[in-house]
Amino acid sequence: SQQGEEDPQALSIQEGENATMNCSYKTSINNLQWYRQNSGRGLVHLILIRSNEREKHSGRLRVTLDTSKKSSSLLITASRAADTASYFCAPSNSGNTPLVFGKGTRLSVIA
Amino acid sequence: GAGVSQSPSNKVTEKGKDVELRCDPISGHTALYWYRQSLGQGLEFLIYFQGNSAPDKSGLPSDRFSAERTGGSVSTLTIQRTQQEDSAVYLCASSSGRGYEQFFGPGTRLTVL
Repeated sequence: SQQGEEDPQALSIQEGENATMNCSYKTSINNLQWYRQNSGRGLVHLILIRSNEREKHSGRLRVTLDTSKKSSSLLITASRAADTASYFCAPSNSGNTPLVFGKGTRLSVIA
Repeated sequence: GAGVSQSPSNKVTEKGKDVELRCDPISGHTALYWYRQSLGQGLEFLIYFQGNSAPDKSGLPSDRFSAERTGGSVSTLTIQRTQQEDSAVYLCASSSGRGYEQFFGPGTRLTVL
């Protein structure tokens, strides 16, 4: 696996607004995952998008993947205070290999 | 079913002491990973077990770190002669071997005084 670089490092929005965070990577991938981490503890898998997919939805989450630009974006619509967390992307070429995480995007949703 | 569990939740130790951190993966998961996260940093891979294969130890920062996985299930990460720079949250994850998603435990916060 390779490391993804999340951008921005920090994002602060009002409840109800949309939050967009981006991920860039360097070499070709098989899939890319997004994870959320609350309060510096365990990560929770949010969504996986495969290299042959361009967009994927899960509830209020929308993920896009542009393999030509080697980038992905995670959009959280109608944000809630409970969405406050750090978000990490994990690009990967194969399954069952260690993931490499960047420093993530710290999202703060203000009620 | 139960998720990945880790114990202890918090561990405070004195410099120079040995510590053992435990991980119980999801039953049936063949792959088990240890990561650590220092304050304000991203996750750093430490070691990876896959089935009966030899573990990938390429991420261990020094020979003071070791891990074992008994019976293809529970894993223990041991840090000998702890140093202050070992202070971090140690996270364990497991995966099924049929997909890409990793399931993380709640972590052990290690503080070395």
